[in-house]
Amino acid sequence: AQTVTQSQPEMSVQEAETVTLSCTYDTSENNYYLFWYKQPPSRQMILVIRQEAYKQQNATENRFSVNFQKAAKSFSLKISDSQLGDTAMYFCAFSINFGNEKLTFGTGTRLTIIP
Amino acid sequence: DAGVIQSPRHEVTEMGQEVTLRCKPISGHDYLFWYRQTMMRGLELLIYFNNNVPIDDSGMPEDRFSAKMPNASFSTLKIQPSEPRDSAVYFCASSPIGAEAFFGQGTRLTVV
Repeated sequence: AQTVTQSQPEMSVQEAETVTLSCTYDTSENNYYLFWYKQPPSRQMILVIRQEAYKQQNATENRFSVNFQKAAKSFSLKISDSQLGDTAMYFCAFSINFGNEKLTFGTGTRLTIIP
Repeated sequence: DAGVIQSPRHEVTEMGQEVTLRCKPISGHDYLFWYRQTMMRGLELLIYFNNNVPIDDSGMPEDRFSAKMPNASFSTLKIQPSEPRDSAVYFCASSPIGAEAFFGQGTRLTVV
């Protein structure tokens, strides 16, 4: 069974600063997918970024980037130039098959961007 | 496409009543998922379908829960009878083959 751990229940940073959210996971699989989802107060689950385990290059999406350390089973999310709209719950998630299998979620990190 | 559409957005019901949650996936998506979110248990998969066929229902908590997908454009999650501990946000998500899941806005269920 796969597990996903997010050890930071809450974080807050000043607007325009950089923040890193941590995520570790445990699996015996060699090929898998990792995701970061954002859940703003509207409740909608929004995909922020994804990483395929077979890719060594870290994924980036505009201000969002990941630090994927496969050997350490670590998958952190870095948000650069944070904006007020980044305030949300952030969930790390794991899947064996891309879109075709269940997502195992971490417990989430509540991120607050302070104006 | 309008995305994954769930109804109702909010539901308040009395203990013992039947509750039906509805989901319209994105057209063309082969997979449909039902997730539940609670403070205690976080986000957990209840059941998922591939081409309208249930593939894994091991997350369905009890026999009181049932899910159907009569066609590619509609799915229901039914709770009968409902209990206060069923109070949660229920998400439906869909995905095509080889791509990420897209979530609906969820149904907040309150059982009093």
